[in-house]
Amino acid sequence: GAGVSQSPSNKVTEKGKDVELRCDPISGHTALYWYRQSLGQGLEFLIYFQGNSAPDKSGLPSDRFSAERTGGSVSTLTIQRTQQEDSAVYLCASSKPPGPDTQYFGPGTRLTVL
Amino acid sequence: GDSVTQMEGPVTLSEEAFLTINCTYTATGYPSLFWYVQYPGEGLQLLLKATKADDKGSNKGFEATYRKETTSFHLEKGSVQVSDSAVYFCALSDPGREGKLTFGQGTILTVHP
Repeated sequence: GAGVSQSPSNKVTEKGKDVELRCDPISGHTALYWYRQSLGQGLEFLIYFQGNSAPDKSGLPSDRFSAERTGGSVSTLTIQRTQQEDSAVYLCASSKPPGPDTQYFGPGTRLTVL
Repeated sequence: GDSVTQMEGPVTLSEEAFLTINCTYTATGYPSLFWYVQYPGEGLQLLLKATKADDKGSNKGFEATYRKETTSFHLEKGSVQVSDSAVYFCALSDPGREGKLTFGQGTILTVHP
């Protein structure tokens, strides 16, 4: 069966531009997570969606970051006015309820802000 | 808040050597503990997990025991192979945080023939 997929795999953008990163979770997984993997910060949680509940945005580093999940499936992470410190690998994971959950990770999107 | 502290790397071993990567944690609840592995050029994948005290997670010859008294979850393997070269992440999921993972900083392991 298909795993978590992410697109694009690589994205190079100029400082100040907006970017959108996409995640397709495993079918039937109601929980979806975004993480960021960067050299300075390691792996850090960004945002979490569970079913139709309001998302937990407690990990978003600034208001330039937002995410949505349409129809309880595909999710898009948007970064507005990108900065060089946003350069990182953005990972998406999905899991089945209930917890403790085992999260299945996508291959990530490598974002480079010039 | 929750935190995970891993043994600093990088770790370099010869094939068939014994491996230990230390991991300790701080959590407000009674967390589940995980080891994830990231092989070169591949995505993050679950290696093993334990959900309660004294549980032992195991997979591919790796083991880790959930030690509540020492808040530790050290990863061990009796005889490493070159193919074990990867980055290893210790992580926890606190039941109060709905499955969100808190990761350690990662340990790079290189195994030489």
